[in-house]
Amino acid sequence: EPEVTQTPSHQVTQMGQEVILRCVPISNHLYFYWYRQILGQKVEFLVSFYNNEISEKSEIFDDQFSVERPDGSNFTLKIRSTKLEDSAMYFCASSRTVPGNTIYFGEGSWLTVV
Amino acid sequence: DQQVKQNSPSLSVQEGRISILNCDYTNSMFDYFLWYKKYPAEGPTFLISISSIKDKNEDGRFTVFLNKSAKHLSLHIVPSQPGDSAVYFCAASFQGAQKLVFGQGTRLTINP
Repeated sequence: EPEVTQTPSHQVTQMGQEVILRCVPISNHLYFYWYRQILGQKVEFLVSFYNNEISEKSEIFDDQFSVERPDGSNFTLKIRSTKLEDSAMYFCASSRTVPGNTIYFGEGSWLTVV
Repeated sequence: DQQVKQNSPSLSVQEGRISILNCDYTNSMFDYFLWYKKYPAEGPTFLISISSIKDKNEDGRFTVFLNKSAKHLSLHIVPSQPGDSAVYFCAASFQGAQKLVFGQGTRLTINP
C-alpha cells in the first residue's frame, strides 16, 4: 500500500538554527500538507500546497516557515530560525483531490528545539 | 478554536464489547468528517469517513453515524479488540477548504 514517508524521524536542533523536514507524498496525489502536534495538544493544520504553490495556510505558518517541492517527488518544510515553541511532531500528508477527500499522513518528524 | 470537540479524553472498554467514541462540531459548514487512529510516535491512520449527505457509513467493524441537526458524530467499533487501543481523532472539513480541523482526541483502551 502506498504511503507518505518522512525524514528525519527525529531531529534535535539549537534555537535559531534552520531545519528542513522532508517528505515523499503518495505518488498520484496532487495536494500536499504539513500539520503539527505539540505534545499533548491537537493536530493542527499548517499549510496546504497544490500546483506548486501554497493554497491555504494557517496563522501558525508565519514568515519563519516555507514549503517547497524541489523535484517531482519531495515536499519540504523549512523553519528558518527555530524557536523553543516549534518543538512538535510534524506530519506531512497528501491527498488526491479536495474537498471530500481522504488525507493520508506520514509517520511524523519529531523536532526538538533546545 | 473549538470547532471540533471530543469531550471524553479517555474511554475504557472490555474486549469484545462495543466502543463508542463521540465528537461534536460547531461549524455548520463542515460537510465531510473523518476518523483517524493514532498510535504513539506515529502518524494518524485513516479509519473511516462520512459525507454530510449520509447519516451512516460502515466498514467492517467500524461504523460512523452523523446527526447533522445535533452536530454530532460517533464512531462505533464492534467487537472491540486489543489492537484497537489507540488515540482516536475526529476531523472535519468543508467545501472550498483544504484543511482538516481536528478534535482533541480520545484515548481508547481495550481491556482483555
